Amino acid sequence: RKEVEQDPGPFNVPEGATVAFNCTYSNSASQSFFWYRQDCRKEPKLLMSVYSSGNEDGRFTAQLNRASQYISLLIRDSKLSDSATYLCVVKSTYKYIFGTGTRLKVLA
Amino acid sequence: ETGVTQSPTHLIKTRGQQVTLRCSSQSGHNTVSWYQQALGQGPQFIFQYYREEENGRGNFPPRFSGLQFPNYSSELNVNALELDDSALYLCASSSGGGDQPQHFGDGTRLSIL
Repeated sequence: RKEVEQDPGPFNVPEGATVAFNCTYSNSASQSFFWYRQDCRKEPKLLMSVYSSGNEDGRFTAQLNRASQYISLLIRDSKLSDSATYLCVVKSTYKYIFGTGTRLKVLA
Repeated sequence: ETGVTQSPTHLIKTRGQQVTLRCSSQSGHNTVSWYQQALGQGPQFIFQYYREEENGRGNFPPRFSGLQFPNYSSELNVNALELDDSALYLCASSSGGGDQPQHFGDGTRLSIL
């Protein structure tokens, strides 16, 4: 079993749609959680940290469920510019473990 | 604030050669991690340096080695290059403690012929 698992997609959604991604992790001792966005052939860029209480940044909402060991990302009112790969990242002690990423394509 | 910078941007080598990749961490960051990202995969953790010491390593052979300097910049060295080493190599820095996220450089794209 992979340490961090994501559905690779692609998720093809129309502009304005709401889309949700989930990510599961295997190490219950994991400490910190993040979502990164990666555009084709570019470096990952931090989208947001994820907290148990849930957090929101504009159209993006992230949630952590420690009991079930999953992280979610919700994107509301999708824009064409949201098309990218979304990487779930889990930190355990010193190590940042990345999922393989979920590809999102927002269609006009 | 200066972000993470990596050099070179692209590199072509042949099997058996050695390569050194360089990274300058974001100002104020004392921890540097290196990742290998193959096409269609997420970044794979190679190792991490904190205050010039390696303090964590992923599942990579000893021919992958590194250094961190007093100014927190870092090098990744790979000996005896293999075709499978072709990938994007990413450096990320953070302030080292607690829940701090990492910030990535643009990466070095390494091609092995």
